[in-house]
Amino acid sequence: KNEVEQSPQNLTAQEGEFITINCSYSVGISALHWLQQHPGGGIVSLFMLSSGKKKHGRLIATINIQEKHSSLHITASHPRDSAVYICAVGGGTASKLTFGTGTRLQVTL
Amino acid sequence: NAGVMQNPRHLVRRRGQEARLRCSPMKGHSHVYWYRQLPEEGLKFMVYLQKENIIDESGMPKERFSAEFPKEGPSILRIQQVVRGDSAAYFCASSPTNRGSVGYTFGSGTRLTVV
Repeated sequence: KNEVEQSPQNLTAQEGEFITINCSYSVGISALHWLQQHPGGGIVSLFMLSSGKKKHGRLIATINIQEKHSSLHITASHPRDSAVYICAVGGGTASKLTFGTGTRLQVTL
Repeated sequence: NAGVMQNPRHLVRRRGQEARLRCSPMKGHSHVYWYRQLPEEGLKFMVYLQKENIIDESGMPKERFSAEFPKEGPSILRIQQVVRGDSAAYFCASSPTNRGSVGYTFGSGTRLTVV
């Protein structure tokens, strides 16, 4: 079993839909990251959180430390949101990250 | 603030050649991490360095791969005698501290193709 599990693996949505991507982890962490990667592109850090909830524009990230679960929500989705969304966790003093396998999102018109 | 700079963006090497990938961390960041993303796979940790020290190289293949982060200049990931299986995207990240992943920033990656 992977230390970081994401679901779903693939997601297709129509423009305007509300999207949720889930991440569960099995190790102790100091922080959880949500990252975005476009095909052939670099990695953009969307959020880093260790508790509660963060919001940036149409993106919302939540984390429940007790349940070892995080969600990334996209409101009013748009085709430009199409990308791979990756959950990653970092723990202890090393700060190296362990990644989920990613959720491939495609938003259609 | 130029962010984390990786170069080259794309690198083509013939089997048996050496590949050198460079990473300049963000200003003020003294912790550097290298990750590898094989085709159709997730990102995997390779090595964690501070200036002049390798802190954790548990993800590095035992042979042909080495990394350094000298006192002056960028961090270098070196792959000797490359093979087709080394073809991947190599990402570097940097942070100002080793606690809580604060300020973690990724570079745009180097895409290595071995022909």
